[in-house]
Amino acid sequence: AQSVTQPDIHITVSEGASLELRCNYSYGATPYLFWYVQSPGQGLQLLLKYFSGDTLVQGIKGFEAEFKRSQSSFNLRKPSVHWSDAAEYFCAVGAEYGGSQGNLIFGKGTKLSVKP
Amino acid sequence: EPEVTQTPSHQVTQMGQEVILRCVPISNHLYFYWYRQILGQKVEFLVSFYNNEISEKSEIFDDQFSVERPDGSNFTLKIRSTKLEDSAMYFCASSVTGGGGTQETQYFGPGTRLLVL
Repeated sequence: AQSVTQPDIHITVSEGASLELRCNYSYGATPYLFWYVQSPGQGLQLLLKYFSGDTLVQGIKGFEAEFKRSQSSFNLRKPSVHWSDAAEYFCAVGAEYGGSQGNLIFGKGTKLSVKP
Repeated sequence: EPEVTQTPSHQVTQMGQEVILRCVPISNHLYFYWYRQILGQKVEFLVSFYNNEISEKSEIFDDQFSVERPDGSNFTLKIRSTKLEDSAMYFCASSVTGGGGTQETQYFGPGTRLLVL
């Protein structure tokens, strides 16, 4: 069965430091992968997505993610974290074309705290 | 920029009561979804909807749940007889298509926080 694992429940980084949030997926075919961010009291905002092509994808707010098929990973990175990046980050995998109408399977999320 | 909207933002209800959560998807989107997030847990898929019928539903989406697109803009989730364990944040999402390609991206609303007492 499809699944998404985010091994880090909570990460704290200093402002200006680099960030990497881990995501591993289990899916038999080519996955569609997403990162969403949820600020306190807010909904889910799409950061970036991978469907095919270049395995390094750029998103909003300076985030990027790299799809590594050999490691079944889709880690999210940012070279320099800002205090406003403090939020919860969710990795998700979607069904392949012709599959189940694209419902998303989410990971449990990683809460990011930013120290001044 | 178009966005998905949801009303109400918060709802408190008594166990056993019916609630209707409302969503207005992005206007040119054809696929609609409901997800829920119980406090401290992961976001879970409930149901997807296309062409006025359910496309897929999870095991969570039992007979007490129903969805409807009563007019050209609204998409609703009804819980007939709420239980304590229905307390959660409910997210609506929409996408242009449900198949493949870059248009499959789901855009989420801000959520409705439901508290069942």
